Amino acid sequence: EIVLTQSPVTLSLSPGESATLSCRASQSVSNYLAWYQQKPGQAPRLLIYDTSNRATGIPARFSGSGSGTDFTLTISSLEPGDFAIYYCQYHSNWPLTFGGGTRVEIK
Amino acid sequence: EVQLVESGGGLVQPGGSLRLSCAASGFTFGSYSMNWVRQAPGKGLEWVSVIGGGGVPTYYTDSVKGRFTVSRDNSKNTLYLQMNSLRAEDTALYYCAKKKEVAGVTYLGSWGQGTLVTVSS
Repeated sequence: EIVLTQSPVTLSLSPGESATLSCRASQSVSNYLAWYQQKPGQAPRLLIYDTSNRATGIPARFSGSGSGTDFTLTISSLEPGDFAIYYCQYHSNWPLTFGGGTRVEIK
Repeated sequence: EVQLVESGGGLVQPGGSLRLSCAASGFTFGSYSMNWVRQAPGKGLEWVSVIGGGGVPTYYTDSVKGRFTVSRDNSKNTLYLQMNSLRAEDTALYYCAKKKEVAGVTYLGSWGQGTLVTVSS
């Protein structure tokens, strides 16, 4: 089973700053990696799939990159609504796995 | 518009049972694999189970194998999760989630708002 490790656990930033979130896989996942955003009291929302493709309606300030075992979600110029928890996710064989999450909080 | 509405959660004693339901609309339900994902209070996301569009195959996370059963009724556009022998560690918000695409890698493109299961005496 592939394990996804996200870092940092918490990221404290101000609106307007850029956020860089990391997801590292215990073995290669090719480009089959997704990112989700979860705001308090809400269900998760798919942001990015296949490493770098934005889901429908996701603003261009969200971008994904990486390959193999190391992946990055970048949020350029944080807006107030971007402060949330972000999870990466991989699936090839079952079980589907999520990373532990990165909380992006207001500094 | 895709809508997923979970129900059936509640307070149950250890060893008890619950059946969760997820009513789906806005898409061709029988064409898509459907998943259950849970989130314990203050914790991260944990995938629980998946069922294929036609009812097979089904897969489970190890901690629920033999206790939980996923099923669906495509005539009613409804997904189910039968949970037996419940334990305190099953306490969580349970989401149903639709696969983004009919084929290919499983990304969860649509989620319900969840139903809370609390296992406590």
